[in-house]
Amino acid sequence: AQRVTQPEKLLSVFKGAPVELKCNYSYSGSPELFWYVQYSRQRLQLLLRHISRESIKGFTADLNKGETSFHLKKPFAQEEDSAMYYCALRSDGNAGNMLTFGGGTRLMVKP
Amino acid sequence: DGGITQSPKYLFRKEGQNVTLSCEQNLNHDAMYWYRQDPGQGLRLIYYSQIVNDFQKGDIAEGYSVSREKKESFPLTVTSAQKNPTAFYLCASSINIQSNQPQHFGDGTRLSIL
Repeated sequence: AQRVTQPEKLLSVFKGAPVELKCNYSYSGSPELFWYVQYSRQRLQLLLRHISRESIKGFTADLNKGETSFHLKKPFAQEEDSAMYYCALRSDGNAGNMLTFGGGTRLMVKP
Repeated sequence: DGGITQSPKYLFRKEGQNVTLSCEQNLNHDAMYWYRQDPGQGLRLIYYSQIVNDFQKGDIAEGYSVSREKKESFPLTVTSAQKNPTAFYLCASSINIQSNQPQHFGDGTRLSIL
């Protein structure tokens, strides 16, 4: 069975500092990884997905199959990045669009 | 304005009572999902539906029931058999179950026990 682990429940950084939110997964097949974000008083929304290989709001994430990781990075954190971040895995070959979520990391960016 | 609407935003349940959470979408999505969100545990899948009149159990279906009589609607009933119902409940939808398109989420319903 697949599993997603986000080891940090809370990550606090100062504005302008680099930030890395860790995500590790366990899955024997070929996974598709996502990062979802939930800003205060807003609904959960997709931030980025590994197959897109794009940078969204300055965030990037690279799928490392050797380390089974999909860490989310941003070189210079902004206060508006403060939110709850969830890493999610979509496994191949199953019923389809089923997501397994990690426990989430709350990012706090201090001024 | 397309999207997913969950109601109510806050809900209180008495011991032994069943309560129903509403989820409506106007995105013309075939697939709909219910998740439970607990602090530190992320989102866990309760039930999902691929199409009208079809639904399947997720990882934590015990104590919950659903129906999918209309494409737009996927209500979740929290029954008295659910011994720890206090949580934040999120509804989501996607184009279909086979799609790799992202899931769209509602604003959630927070359920508490009186």
